Amino acid sequence: KAGVTQTPRYLIKTRGQQVTLSCSPISGHRSVSWYQQTPGQGLQFLFEYFSETQRNKGNFPGRFSGRQFSNSRSEMNVSTLELGDSALYLCASSRGDTDTQYFGPGTRLTVL
Amino acid sequence: GENVEQHPSTLSVQEGDSAVIKCTYSDSASNYFPWYKQELGKRPQLIIDIRSNVGEKKDQRIAVTLNKTAKHFSLHITETQPEDSAVYFCAASIVLWRETSGSRLTFGEGTQLTVNP
Repeated sequence: KAGVTQTPRYLIKTRGQQVTLSCSPISGHRSVSWYQQTPGQGLQFLFEYFSETQRNKGNFPGRFSGRQFSNSRSEMNVSTLELGDSALYLCASSRGDTDTQYFGPGTRLTVL
Repeated sequence: GENVEQHPSTLSVQEGDSAVIKCTYSDSASNYFPWYKQELGKRPQLIIDIRSNVGEKKDQRIAVTLNKTAKHFSLHITETQPEDSAVYFCAASIVLWRETSGSRLTFGEGTQLTVNP
């Protein structure tokens, strides 16, 4: 099976802009989780989607949002970008009724 | 919420030696504990996981032990090789094994393991 894929791999934006990142899970996986990875804060959970519904949410401001489509692909959106949003954004997929999460390669977002 | 602490933050060993990384968690309801390896510029890769109904799990040179009473779990790597050099993350999660429940992984801060040839 193909692994989790994410697009784009790199993004450069300026403060105040918005950005949309995409994640395609492993075929058959219905759950997609998003994480933010930074040197200072480590890996932090953003949210999880399952069957087009947000099932779980981390402690991030409302500028961070997501959605999931009927084919399980997921997008996350960050509006009004801040310098502190610069990070590696990772998505992970799982079957949904189990625990094992498999990560994508990530999208490196740089906010100038 | 759950909090996971990981030690040490850096670990340097000689090739062939063993390496041990320790994590503690705060939420006694956590029941799933995976370990991920992340090489520079690459995605985190699951290397081993353990559920709370098991005290120890082994896969070739890698083993994980869990002490539910003390709320800590450890990764053991034996006969280390240079290709084991990476950042290792522990994580904890509450998994309810049904589709209606979600789960989230809470990660430790990571351990940079360096295996010197």
